[in-house]
Amino acid sequence: QKEVEQNSGPLSVPEGAIASLNCTYSDRGSQSFFWYRQYSGKSPELIMFIYSNGDKEDGRFTAQLNKASQYVSLLIRDSQPSDSATYLCAGGDSGAGSYQLTFGKGTKLSVIP
Amino acid sequence: DAGVTQSPTHLIKTRGQQVTLRCSPKSGHDTVSWYQQALGQGPQFIFQYYEEEERQRGNFPDRFSGHQFPNYSSELNVNALLLGDSALYLCASNFRGLSYNEQFFGPGTRLTVL
Repeated sequence: QKEVEQNSGPLSVPEGAIASLNCTYSDRGSQSFFWYRQYSGKSPELIMFIYSNGDKEDGRFTAQLNKASQYVSLLIRDSQPSDSATYLCAGGDSGAGSYQLTFGKGTKLSVIP
Repeated sequence: DAGVTQSPTHLIKTRGQQVTLRCSPKSGHDTVSWYQQALGQGPQFIFQYYEEEERQRGNFPDRFSGHQFPNYSSELNVNALLLGDSALYLCASNFRGLSYNEQFFGPGTRLTVL
């Protein structure tokens, strides 16, 4: 059973601070990892994906992957109130010719002005 | 560039009824996946369609079935609805030729079963 675990939060950070969101996964076969942002009542929006060990930066967002520890994280620098949302971590499985995503339950982030 | 579209936006049904949800993938995408998201949970994979065939299925009963058309659009059918089927149903599309499976979601269909 593939599992992706996230702290449900809520995680509260002041405006301008760094928000750190963490995720662990059970399936060593997972090759790629995705961070989605989901505002209340809306559908998930892809923020970043990462498939190599190390860091990947895109604007204020940095994704980090450590395959040995089966750990993925997302850092949001200079957090803004508009970043307040639920952040979903997902592992991608390209085994058996398919591309299923396994999601965690999400971490709710609140950025306090 | 048209994104993923889904219809209808909201739907109310009663127990035992059947429902059909529709999805058109993002332009250039050929693969459609369906997910169910219950309140407070992450999306759960239902199944995926590519080349008009179901390629993989999650842990959902046979009451859930689907179809993909030659233009890559897809339908999700749920028979004999249960109260527990109330959820946000999400369609996601991707281009199978990419190695890393970037899936983009549509706005979803909110299904309420009474």
